[in-house]
Amino acid sequence: EDQVTQSPEALRLQEGESSSLNCSYTVSGLRGLFWYRQDPGKGPEFLFTLYSAGEEKEKERLKATLTKKESFLHITAPKPEDSATYLCAVFSGTYKYIFGTGTRLKVLA
Amino acid sequence: EAGVAQSPRYKIIEKRQSVAFWCNPISGHATLYWYQQILGQGPKLLIQFQNNGVVDDSQLPKDRFSAERLKGVDSTLKIQPAKLEDSAVYLCASARGYSEQFFGPGTRLTVL
Repeated sequence: EDQVTQSPEALRLQEGESSSLNCSYTVSGLRGLFWYRQDPGKGPEFLFTLYSAGEEKEKERLKATLTKKESFLHITAPKPEDSATYLCAVFSGTYKYIFGTGTRLKVLA
Repeated sequence: EAGVAQSPRYKIIEKRQSVAFWCNPISGHATLYWYQQILGQGPKLLIQFQNNGVVDDSQLPKDRFSAERLKGVDSTLKIQPAKLEDSAVYLCASARGYSEQFFGPGTRLTVL
């Protein structure tokens, strides 16, 4: 069964304290892995797409990486405005989108 | 470029009543999705359209939920009759094919 698991569920960081969020997946063929950011009361906002193991994407303080079993979202020197829920989604070989439950990030000033 | 529009933003109904949500995707996006997001969880796909046709509705509770996408543009999602467990945010998203999705602001449904 296709499955996406994100950890940790919640993370509190001090401003400037770097960390990583994990997305583990089990799918029948991977067509793409997506990272989204969701602010309270809003729909998810697209961040990155990764297609193959070894691929990396960067945007400001965020860097996403992909292996055959998991993806990491690295946050370098986070700021309070990076506080949000980060969602991982997998597009499987059977053309199904499966979202993880997300990591709620809180960055303290 | 205008984003995905949804209405209403909020809806409160009694159980066993019916409710409908509307979505207008980004112009030119052939793929449209409806998701249900329960508080503290990730979005759960309810139905996926490619133009007018349904690609995946395997997780749509078809005894009470229905959706249509007329003329390959706007879409409506209906619940009839609603249950308490339908309380959630209903998100609409659109995409060019199977690329990244663009989400609307969602409709927060409360069933009393």
